Amino acid sequence: EAQVTQNPRYLITVTGKKLTVTCSQNMNHEYMSWYRQDPGLGLRQIYYSMNVEVTDKGDVPEGYKVSRKEKRNFPLILESPSPNQTSLYFCASSLQGVETQYFGPGTRLLVL
Amino acid sequence: ILNVEQSPQSLHVQEGDSTNFTCSFPSSNFYALHWYRWETAKSPEALFVMTLNGDEKKKGRISATLNTKEGYSYLYIKGSQPEDSATYLCAFKGGFKTIFGAGTRLFVKA
Repeated sequence: EAQVTQNPRYLITVTGKKLTVTCSQNMNHEYMSWYRQDPGLGLRQIYYSMNVEVTDKGDVPEGYKVSRKEKRNFPLILESPSPNQTSLYFCASSLQGVETQYFGPGTRLLVL
Repeated sequence: ILNVEQSPQSLHVQEGDSTNFTCSFPSSNFYALHWYRWETAKSPEALFVMTLNGDEKKKGRISATLNTKEGYSYLYIKGSQPEDSATYLCAFKGGFKTIFGAGTRLFVKA
């Protein structure tokens, strides 16, 4: 089944404790992206990747890192999480940059 | 930061009503405009990808139009059903970046 998977789905952590949210797609898509969703603000792009080893900042990259070492995986790294990073995170992928995106199930993160 | 605006923020209609929403986006550096449907506790799902000025797309009772020169797109739902209740998102593609609007939340009462 064609899909985008994210892990974990739910995470409670404390300020400053490094964490990684994994994202994987099995559709051989070139483009992958991370978004955060906060009430009243809609989806905001954190980082995106056009292909392996090619990444760029979205609108809200501060406090996040990404890497794209393989085509299928695009992990989101929070080196030192803070409470303002409490949010719902979505990973998405598309065949190429302008085409429709397929979303993962979301990861709900709470930083205490 | 480029802005994508959606209106109205929310809409309550009766079953059988037809309705429409607006998405306004920058008229420069346009690559594509996407519409997504997002149900509570699920992930956004694609409805349409629109790339050409004057584009019209249709899927069942839902259709969309695009005006890239003036920077807006309309989404229409004909004969709304309770299962149409969801948040409808538009997303502007200016190059590789994606900018989403905040969405229009539709409630359809049976």
